[in-house]
Amino acid sequence: GESVGLHLPTLSVQEGDNSIINCAYSNSASDYFIWYKQESGKGPQFIIDIRSNMDKRQGQRVTVLLNKTVKHLSLQIAATQPGDSAVYFCAENAGGTSYGKLTFGQGTILTVHP
Amino acid sequence: DTAVSQTPKYLVTQMGNDKSIKCEQNLGHDTMYWYKQDSKKFLKIMFSYNNKELIINETVPNRFSPKSPDKAHLNLHINSLELGDSAVYFCASSQRLAGVTGELFFGEGSRLTVL
Repeated sequence: GESVGLHLPTLSVQEGDNSIINCAYSNSASDYFIWYKQESGKGPQFIIDIRSNMDKRQGQRVTVLLNKTVKHLSLQIAATQPGDSAVYFCAENAGGTSYGKLTFGQGTILTVHP
Repeated sequence: DTAVSQTPKYLVTQMGNDKSIKCEQNLGHDTMYWYKQDSKKFLKIMFSYNNKELIINETVPNRFSPKSPDKAHLNLHINSLELGDSAVYFCASSQRLAGVTGELFFGEGSRLTVL
């Protein structure tokens, strides 16, 4: 199947649990961060974004936390549902000459068990 | 109506052939992109056009040639296909350059398999 040979980080949770997906970035010049969700056979879909002048942003059932000191980003999903099962990507924009160029992270596979 | 549509969804071809993937967006966006996703799910930008003008051209072999006839369309032509070109190619659009807002709207992808 499509997953054979993939070595992405994986997270398995039970329905109703909270999920935390982590992302490390390397470019200290990055000033804008986004989380995307990609379901099987589909394109990535925007979830939530955060600018570097913030350390937390909340959406509907999702929260993004940014720690610039250690260059770490996390996505928290409350009351995870089976429909949340997907690959989650963080992306960063470095600004400057890289303006407009989103760099995507490795991706994490989230599996939610009913 | 699909916001970003790309055709074909699947493409199987022999090495050395030339193929094209078409993309159209009906969101009225100014900026369009091509991304390549490899077998490990790694997504990498290839090209970006803003109002039909090429603004991002990553280190992509010149066998890949994007063309934007108008701001609603961005096509990708690939010459002399190689095995390593096998991937899923995603078209995307955004209202302005990603960075002002990161909300890229992606198509469903075109899976290219080179035999």
